[in-house]
Amino acid sequence: AQSVTQPDIHITVSEGASLELRCNYSYGATPYLFWYVQSPGQGLQLLLKYFSGDTLVQGIKGFEAEFKRSQSSFNLRKPSVHWSDAAEYFCAVGPSGYSTLTFGKGTMLLVSP
Amino acid sequence: DAGVIQSPRHEVTEMGQEVTLRCKPISGHNSLFWYRQTMMRGLELLIYFNNNVPIDDSGMPEDRFSAKMPNASFSTLKIQPSEPRDSAVYFCASSAQGALNTEAFFGQGTRLTVV
Repeated sequence: AQSVTQPDIHITVSEGASLELRCNYSYGATPYLFWYVQSPGQGLQLLLKYFSGDTLVQGIKGFEAEFKRSQSSFNLRKPSVHWSDAAEYFCAVGPSGYSTLTFGKGTMLLVSP
Repeated sequence: DAGVIQSPRHEVTEMGQEVTLRCKPISGHNSLFWYRQTMMRGLELLIYFNNNVPIDDSGMPEDRFSAKMPNASFSTLKIQPSEPRDSAVYFCASSAQGALNTEAFFGQGTRLTVV
């Protein structure tokens, strides 16, 4: 069975500092990996996705993520955090881009001035 | 396109009442998903339709929950009778199965409170 682990429930980062959110997955085949962001009271917005090819993927809002098969990880990074990045971030894995997804429990990002 | 549209955005109902949540997927998408989000369990897939046919309903918690997709542009999730433990945010998502490099697009959710 597939699963996603986001070890950090909350993370606080100073504005302008770098950010890394961790995601580890368990999946029996080549996974499709996603990061979604959820602002309060809103739905989920896709930040980026990995299907194949280059293991470093670029997303919207200056985010990037690196797929490391050997570590079963897909960590999300941003070099300089903005206050507007405060939200909850979800990592997800699926058998394809358009099929059912298994989500992690999410990491709440707080940005301090 | 307006994206995935869910209604209502908020629903407060009394225990025992019937609740119907609605979803309009993105035009042209042929896969539709209902997810439930709670603090305890996070995001869970309830049911998945492809071309209006339920493919996987193993996530539906019990017989009180039912979902339908009468046509490509509309789906409902019904809870009858509702219970306080059903309180959650319910998300609908759609995607275009068969399209390369696509992903699921989510609606803004329906926040259900059962009192």
